[in-house]
Amino acid sequence: TQLLEQSPQFLSIQEGENLTVYCNSSSVFSSLQWYRQEPGEGPVLLVTVVTGGEVKKLKRLTFQFGDARKDSSLHITAAQPGDTGLYLCAGDDKIIFGKGTRLHILP
Amino acid sequence: NAGVMQNPRHLVRRRGQEARLRCSPMKGHSHVYWYRQLPEEGLKFMVYLQKENIIDESGMPKERFSAEFPKEGPSILRIQQVVRGDSAAYFCASSPHSEGTEAFFGQGTRLTVV
Repeated sequence: TQLLEQSPQFLSIQEGENLTVYCNSSSVFSSLQWYRQEPGEGPVLLVTVVTGGEVKKLKRLTFQFGDARKDSSLHITAAQPGDTGLYLCAGDDKIIFGKGTRLHILP
Repeated sequence: NAGVMQNPRHLVRRRGQEARLRCSPMKGHSHVYWYRQLPEEGLKFMVYLQKENIIDESGMPKERFSAEFPKEGPSILRIQQVVRGDSAAYFCASSPHSEGTEAFFGQGTRLTVV
């Protein structure tokens, strides 16, 4: 069974700081997706990474797919209160989800 | 292009009643996934359907739960004889392709069993 481990589970930082959250697995995925979910809403797709070593940028968010396609990271530069939410990574097979990192940015 | 539509947004049922949750996928999407989410937790896969076919129901409880995606109309997740433990948010997602590529989610149905 493929599993996705996300760390940290919770992260609370001040506005303006940088942060990195991780999504790790012992299995190889053909693609990984990152979603953000806000309270009371469904997850919203942020990015899909497909190629090992791939880096994608979305404004202040930088996503990287590991060379072996087993892990991924999300780096946020100069975090803002609007970045607050649950960040979920998902693998390709049946869209397996990690439990998420709950991020809270303090103004 | 309308997004994935789920209804109702909130559903209250008494123990023993039936709950029917509906999901209309995005236009052009023929693959639907259902997930359950408990408070403060991630999404747990339940079932993956294509039009008129159940592809994978490995995450679905063996009893009381069923899902369908007919040729015409929305996908339905049906929970019979609900119990308090069924209270959760149920999300559906749709995808244009097989093998779980990018999926687009609805806003969920929050089921409360009283």
